[in-house]
Amino acid sequence: EAQVTQNPRYLITVTGKKLTVTCSQNMNHEYMSWYRQDPGLGLRQIYYSMNVEVTDKGDVPEGYKVSRKEKRNFPLILESPSPNQTSLYFCASTPLAGGFPSYEQYFGPGTRLTVT
Amino acid sequence: GENVEQHPSTLSVQEGDSAVIKCTYSDSASNYFPWYKQELGKRPQLIIDIRSNVGEKKDQRIAVTLNKTAKHFSLHITETQPEDSAVYFCAAMETRYDKVIFGPGTSLSVIP
Repeated sequence: EAQVTQNPRYLITVTGKKLTVTCSQNMNHEYMSWYRQDPGLGLRQIYYSMNVEVTDKGDVPEGYKVSRKEKRNFPLILESPSPNQTSLYFCASTPLAGGFPSYEQYFGPGTRLTVT
Repeated sequence: GENVEQHPSTLSVQEGDSAVIKCTYSDSASNYFPWYKQELGKRPQLIIDIRSNVGEKKDQRIAVTLNKTAKHFSLHITETQPEDSAVYFCAAMETRYDKVIFGPGTSLSVIP
């Protein structure tokens, strides 16, 4: 089954404790991205990756890191989480067409993160 | 950079009526405009999209229109049903720059 998976689905942590949210897709998509969703603000892109070893900042990258060492995986790293990073996080992937992201983004199930 | 505004933020309609959600974008270079539906507790899913070389696209009860000159696009849902109740997000993308900018969302309630 074609899918995007995220782990963990729920996480409660404390300020400053490093954490990683994993994202994996089995559709051989080149383009992957991370979003955070907050009430009234919609989905805001944190980082995206056009392919292995190619990553770039989205609109709200501060406090986050990513890596893309394999095509299928795109982990999100919070080196020192703070309470303002409490949010719902979505990973998404999409194939490229003509070298650019195209068609629909396939979203993972979401990770609800609470930082106390 | 691109900015996407979306109105209204909440919308209630009677079952069977039509619903219209409007979005405006700021970057005239944007050329791809998807609409996503997110049911409570679930992930966003694409329901329809339109590219800048097309003025209108329809898929059963859902249609999207694009006015490039005015830089706005709209989602039209006809004959609404209770299962249409969800949050709808518009988005704009300029494919050369790879970023996707979403609107803040519209919470649609269809009253039986």
